[in-house]
Amino acid sequence: DAGITQSPRHKVTETGTPVTLRCHQTENHRYMYWYRQDPGHGLRLIHYSYGVKDTDKGEVSDGYSVSRSKTEDFLLTLESATSSQTSVYFCAIRGGAEGTGELFFGEGSRLTVL
Amino acid sequence: AQTVTQSQPEMSVQEAETVTLSCTYDTSESDYYLFWYKQPPSRQMILVIRQEAYKQQNATENRFSVNFQKAAKSFSLKISDSQLGDAAMYFCAYSRTSGTYKYIFGTGTRLKVLA
Repeated sequence: DAGITQSPRHKVTETGTPVTLRCHQTENHRYMYWYRQDPGHGLRLIHYSYGVKDTDKGEVSDGYSVSRSKTEDFLLTLESATSSQTSVYFCAIRGGAEGTGELFFGEGSRLTVL
Repeated sequence: AQTVTQSQPEMSVQEAETVTLSCTYDTSESDYYLFWYKQPPSRQMILVIRQEAYKQQNATENRFSVNFQKAAKSFSLKISDSQLGDAAMYFCAYSRTSGTYKYIFGTGTRLKVLA
């Protein structure tokens, strides 16, 4: 158990509204990630962070922003949600023993944009 | 840019039989990690097995083993003595071992286990 909590776990919202998903970790890992999972596309990287205030874009970053003001929290924001952003969102952290490179995942957040 | 390709959207295997899931990748790096993750219907992502590219020996974890062909950039997963609990989505993933740790995933293979 890597101590990752995602909130909310489920959300239904309307097109054009802002949405923020939160990822919280309890183990002080440096790297945190946001992925989206869609049928036929697998997991696609949205944004990732390699430290407080240090973030970078992934392959599907358009329409998303992130913030990391504390080591333990990584926020994903949809400024104006669209139906194409309906998806399951996973937070992950790079943890495990030094050198293993293992990625640990949260339980996912299902977002529906109507 | 690195890419990971899983060309089998769905596979089926009879209980107790053996099945192999395919994964190919593209990278210009010489050292990297490769992973297989399992996602059962609960949606939780579970690490099945990992391989470090500089290690020649194929990784093994109980009934799960890999066939790592570095020159061919191939990383297949073999599941022996398949069990009903093996039914899940399986994702192949790649990560560098230094610099920026971005993890790239394939599109997944859904494995069905037939009783």
